[in-house]
Amino acid sequence: EAQVTQNPRYLITVTGKKLTVTCSQNMNHEYMSWYRQDPGLGLRQIYYSMNVEVTDKGDVPEGYKVSRKEKRNFPLILESPSPNQTSLYFCASSLGETNEQFFGPGTRLTVL
Amino acid sequence: GQNIDQPTEMTATEGAIVQINCTYQTSGFNGLFWYQQHAGEAPTFLSYNVLDGLEEKGRFSSFLSRSKGYSYLLLKELQMKDSASYLCAVRTSGTYKYIFGTGTRLKVLA
Repeated sequence: EAQVTQNPRYLITVTGKKLTVTCSQNMNHEYMSWYRQDPGLGLRQIYYSMNVEVTDKGDVPEGYKVSRKEKRNFPLILESPSPNQTSLYFCASSLGETNEQFFGPGTRLTVL
Repeated sequence: GQNIDQPTEMTATEGAIVQINCTYQTSGFNGLFWYQQHAGEAPTFLSYNVLDGLEEKGRFSSFLSRSKGYSYLLLKELQMKDSASYLCAVRTSGTYKYIFGTGTRLKVLA
């Protein structure tokens, strides 16, 4: 089944404890992206990747890192999480940058 | 600055037609997308417009006017399952960034 998977789906952590949210797609898509969704603010793009080893900042990249070592995987790294990073995170992929994006199921992160 | 405006909430009756508007001001334009998001779920793609005019897909249609920075999503023969949030998103030109509106929450009443 064609899909985007994210892990974990739920995570509660404490300030400063490094964490990684994994994202994987099995559709051979070139474009991948991370978003956060907060009430009243909608979806905001954190980082995106055009292809392997090609990444760039979205609108809210501060406090996040990404890597794209393989085409299928695009992990999101929070080196030192803070409470303002408590949010619902979505990974998405598309065949190209002008094609529709397929979203993963979301990761609900709480930073205490 | 970059901005996408959509109404926050709309209510309509089952079987009716509803139009959800989206206006945008972005640094360049390279396509507009509509997504549907049910509560607690991920967004799913509905439609894409890059040229002016109407795109029809079953009960859903989307319209774009680039000169006016305006789009709408038209939902016909509303069903209860259409109760969801509808997200308007613009891909800006010169980059590969997407800007999303805050979404319109549609309630369909019996």
